Amino acid sequence: DAGVIQSPRHEVTEMGQEVTLRCKPISGHDYLFWYRQTMMRGLELLIYFNNNVPIDDSGMPEDRFSAKMPNASFSTLKIQPSEPRDSAVYFCASSPRSGQVYEQYFGPGTRLTVT
Amino acid sequence: KNQVEQSPQSLIILEGKNCTLQCNYTVSPFSNLRWYKQDTGRGPVSLTIMTFSENTKSNGRYTATLDADTKQSSLHITASQLSDSASYICVVGDYKLSFGAGTTVTVRA
Repeated sequence: DAGVIQSPRHEVTEMGQEVTLRCKPISGHDYLFWYRQTMMRGLELLIYFNNNVPIDDSGMPEDRFSAKMPNASFSTLKIQPSEPRDSAVYFCASSPRSGQVYEQYFGPGTRLTVT
Repeated sequence: KNQVEQSPQSLIILEGKNCTLQCNYTVSPFSNLRWYKQDTGRGPVSLTIMTFSENTKSNGRYTATLDADTKQSSLHITASQLSDSASYICVVGDYKLSFGAGTTVTVRA
């Protein structure tokens, strides 16, 4: 399996522009997570899905952020309009349900720079 | 206040030496404790996962311990290699994870 796939790997955009990050989870995984990592705050959970349904979006910073999972093999994280403070590395992770343990597999991340 | 605290923030060791990283957590209820390794420019990779009933878990030269009573965990790296240079992150939770800030380990030849 190719693992979790994210695109683009790098994104540079100007403040006010719309940004869309994409994720393809590992086939057969029931859970999908979006995280943000910054030097100041470390890794933070933004939102997660179970069987394509958003379960907890309490980590989404504000209404400028939205996430969708139209099917089991694709998810997007959209920022509109983008701001310089959104600059971070965004990770997608997926997880199968396996007993008590939810092993999470992370993608390579998308480094977003908003100027 | 972060519910997962790690120490030290960073450390430098010579190749071949051992080191131990510490993690204290206050997350409740407790389900699983994980240690992840994150190389520069890459996503985190799981090293060990322990449930609250486990005391130790090994993965090659990495050994994690857990004391659920004191809410402490450690990650021991044996006979360090240059490839061990990375950030090591302590993570608590089930599907909704709480992350520590990480310990940056630098192994020098």
